Amino acid sequence: EAGVTQSPTHLIKTRGQQVTLRCSPISGHTSVYWYQQALGLGLQFLLWYDEGEERNRGNFPPRFSGRQFPNYSSELNVNALELEDSALYLCASSLAGQLAQETQYFGPGTRLLVL
Amino acid sequence: QKEVEQDPGPLSVPEGAIVSLNCTYSNSAFQYFMWYRQYSRKGPELLMYTYSSGNKEDGRFTAQVDKSSKYISLFIRDSQPSDSATYLCAMSDSGGSYIPTFGRGTSLIVHP
Repeated sequence: EAGVTQSPTHLIKTRGQQVTLRCSPISGHTSVYWYQQALGLGLQFLLWYDEGEERNRGNFPPRFSGRQFPNYSSELNVNALELEDSALYLCASSLAGQLAQETQYFGPGTRLLVL
Repeated sequence: QKEVEQDPGPLSVPEGAIVSLNCTYSNSAFQYFMWYRQYSRKGPELLMYTYSSGNKEDGRFTAQVDKSSKYISLFIRDSQPSDSATYLCAMSDSGGSYIPTFGRGTSLIVHP
């Protein structure tokens, strides 16, 4: 069974630009989560999508946004990039986001460097 | 004070040692506790998942939860160089949102 996939694997952008990251969940999973992992910091929760709807967002500015498609894949968009946005962006999926018993399975991440 | 505290290490041990990794937390509502392993430049992978207090064993790994002390541990027996990775604890409450709170991770180095 294929795991969570993310694209691209690496990305280099300059300040002020916009970026779109993509995620495909494990087949059968309906919830997708996005996290930011900056160097030396823990995973910071960004967004949670379930059944096409945004269910929750973390403490990030509105320039971080996303969406989930009918096939449950997801995009994360970051506008007006800043240097501190440089991080590993991780996507995770789970069977049903509203059940605490369901655990999240992570993709390999997209490493974003903002110059 | 962060909700979840985890010593970043690095923790360096010889092959075959017993490793103890720990996290403390402040939110008494946490009910679900996870340990993830993350190799360099990879996404985290789930190692252990426990609910409420007690122990859970899986091969060389044992997870312990002490809710009275707000303290969780992961023990690795007979550690191997392939265990060298960052270990992240995560926990969540039983509310509807289920967004886990992660520790910063502990870097473990097992040298031959």
